[in-house]
Amino acid sequence: GAGVSQSPSNKVTEKGKDVELRCDPISGHTALYWYRQSLGQGLEFLIYFQGNSAPDKSGLPSDRFSAERTGGSVSTLTIQRTQQEDSAVYLCASSLAYGGAGGYTFGSGTRLTVV
Amino acid sequence: QQPVQSPQAVILREGEDAVINCSSSKALYSVHWYRQKHGEAPVFLMILLKGGEQKGHEKISASFNEKKQQSSLYLTASQLSYSGTYFCGTEGYNQGGKLIFGQGTELSVKP
Repeated sequence: GAGVSQSPSNKVTEKGKDVELRCDPISGHTALYWYRQSLGQGLEFLIYFQGNSAPDKSGLPSDRFSAERTGGSVSTLTIQRTQQEDSAVYLCASSLAYGGAGGYTFGSGTRLTVV
Repeated sequence: QQPVQSPQAVILREGEDAVINCSSSKALYSVHWYRQKHGEAPVFLMILLKGGEQKGHEKISASFNEKKQQSSLYLTASQLSYSGTYFCGTEGYNQGGKLIFGQGTELSVKP
């Protein structure tokens, strides 16, 4: 597609439920990155993919968080047993080449609210 | 470690200049700069690679001092459209393009 697409744009869920967030990167972009941004805060790294592999999962806050990428394209971030502190905007970005050359293109994000 | 940005916030009148600094405690391969407007996604401005400087936009330029592990973003003759939060993202060696972002600098340009 023309840009990075994320769905849903907004998600309200009850504490303890599981949620899945989807990211569809720009066609041909091999690298895909997940970040989250809490209100008024900076961007916190979660995980990145090179193709379907995730060389760096160091930013995932707990084992309740997982992510996968299939076919070198769409990625899904799953949060199990959601907690209120998981509330944030989850941003996905893709880049054309290894090393982020040319910069990231971000999606519009998924605003997650855990009530 | 997260890079440190300064200042945290700045208010300008149209036409004034500003400098935003980004400092890291780790050796850097590249530095990216992004601007985020309220309620929108961050937008890529430019990337600076070790040993180089890249001007990404007219009147917005940046420098990278790899010895000091610092980068600065220069905004000249500011326009109202420059308002937003500016983030630097730093990439270490062998990090696969993973960026660690600073806390951001909020820039407000007033008429």
